[in-house]
Amino acid sequence: EDQVTQSPEALRLQEGESSSLNCSYTVSGLRGLFWYRQDPGKGPEFLFTLYSAGEEKEKERLKATLTKKESFLHITAPKPEDSATYLCAVQAAAGNTGKLIFGQGTTLQVKP
Amino acid sequence: ETGVTQTPRHLVMGMTNKKSLKCEQHLGHNAMYWYKQSAKKPLELMFVYSLEERVENNSVPSRFSPECPNSSHLFLHLHTLQPEDSALYLCASSQDLGNQPQHFGDGTRLSIL
Repeated sequence: EDQVTQSPEALRLQEGESSSLNCSYTVSGLRGLFWYRQDPGKGPEFLFTLYSAGEEKEKERLKATLTKKESFLHITAPKPEDSATYLCAVQAAAGNTGKLIFGQGTTLQVKP
Repeated sequence: ETGVTQTPRHLVMGMTNKKSLKCEQHLGHNAMYWYKQSAKKPLELMFVYSLEERVENNSVPSRFSPECPNSSHLFLHLHTLQPEDSALYLCASSQDLGNQPQHFGDGTRLSIL
């Protein structure tokens, strides 16, 4: 069964304290792995798509990496405005329905 | 208007009411989705439409009825809901059913009395 597990469930950082969020996945052939950011009362906001192991994408203080079993979202020198819930999702190669399987998310709090 | 717009943002209804959620996308996409987000649970896919045809019905109870009159609009008709249906309902769209990113609206917060 296709599955996505994110850890930790919650993370508290001081401003400037770098860390990483983990997304472990089991899927019968990976078509794509997606990272989203969700603020309270809002819908998920698209951050990155990764398609194959070894791929990396960067945007400001965020960097996403991908292996055959997991993805990491590295946050370098975070600021309070990076506080949000970060969601990881995978799309399986089998089928053609656009279905995304989401993890439960990591809620990040960055304190000034 | 840009992106994906959902109305209403909040809805409170009794178990015997009938209501509809509306989603409109201004991105020129061909695929649209309904997701359910409950507290402490991952987003769950409910329905997928591609070029106005339903391509996925993820074992959703019949009290939820989707409608896609054209590629820009998506509705979710609700009737005889249960308290456990209280959740955030999110609409998304993507260029097609391939590995393109899905773009989400801000959702409708639904509360069933």
